[in-house]
Amino acid sequence: SQKIEQNSEALNIQEGKTATLTCNYTNYSPAYLQWYRQDPGRGPVFLLLIRENEKEKRKERLKVTFDTTLKQSLFHITASQPADSATYLCACLDDKIIFGKGTRLHILP
Amino acid sequence: SAVISQKPSRDICQRGTSLTIQCQVDSQVTMMFWYRQQPGQSLTLIATANQGSEATYESGFVIDKFPISRPNLTFSTLTVSNMSPEDSSIYLCSALSGSSYNEQFFGPGTRLTVL
Repeated sequence: SQKIEQNSEALNIQEGKTATLTCNYTNYSPAYLQWYRQDPGRGPVFLLLIRENEKEKRKERLKVTFDTTLKQSLFHITASQPADSATYLCACLDDKIIFGKGTRLHILP
Repeated sequence: SAVISQKPSRDICQRGTSLTIQCQVDSQVTMMFWYRQQPGQSLTLIATANQGSEATYESGFVIDKFPISRPNLTFSTLTVSNMSPEDSSIYLCSALSGSSYNEQFFGPGTRLTVL
């Protein structure tokens, strides 16, 4: 069955460093991949979409890569700030959208 | 962008009862969806709410348990029927304001607890 895997353990990163989150998918060839941010008690907020023919997409301090050979996407936050602390969800889209469980990110001051 | 509100924000219900969750979008949207998110779990798509026709349900979800209405392009309801404790979850409404999935917006969610 189609599966999206994100590191279920929380990630602690020192403020100012780059945070890197991983999303792996199996039994699936998504045409698009998205990343969302979710804060406690709130709905997910869309951050970035990357297409299968794109290697990399950037938006301000955010960078997403999409490696269809490794079946993996990496999500980077550079110059991380405590305000970046949240859960980050990966979602893969083909004929339907499938979400990963998310990775909790803590930026330590 | 689209701003989505949901009512109620949370509720505690008794087993066997039903709850209707409302979703209001501040602008006309092409598609609306209902998701469920259990603690520590990913979002699971329940159904696509179609304007003027029956909702399209994902595998494992049926209309008798989760009836959905979408009377216009800005409003939808999800009813959780004959509730059991297993239905305790966060229910999220989302919408696409354009033709592409990079314009998908989510509501704040409704936290449902069934006793």
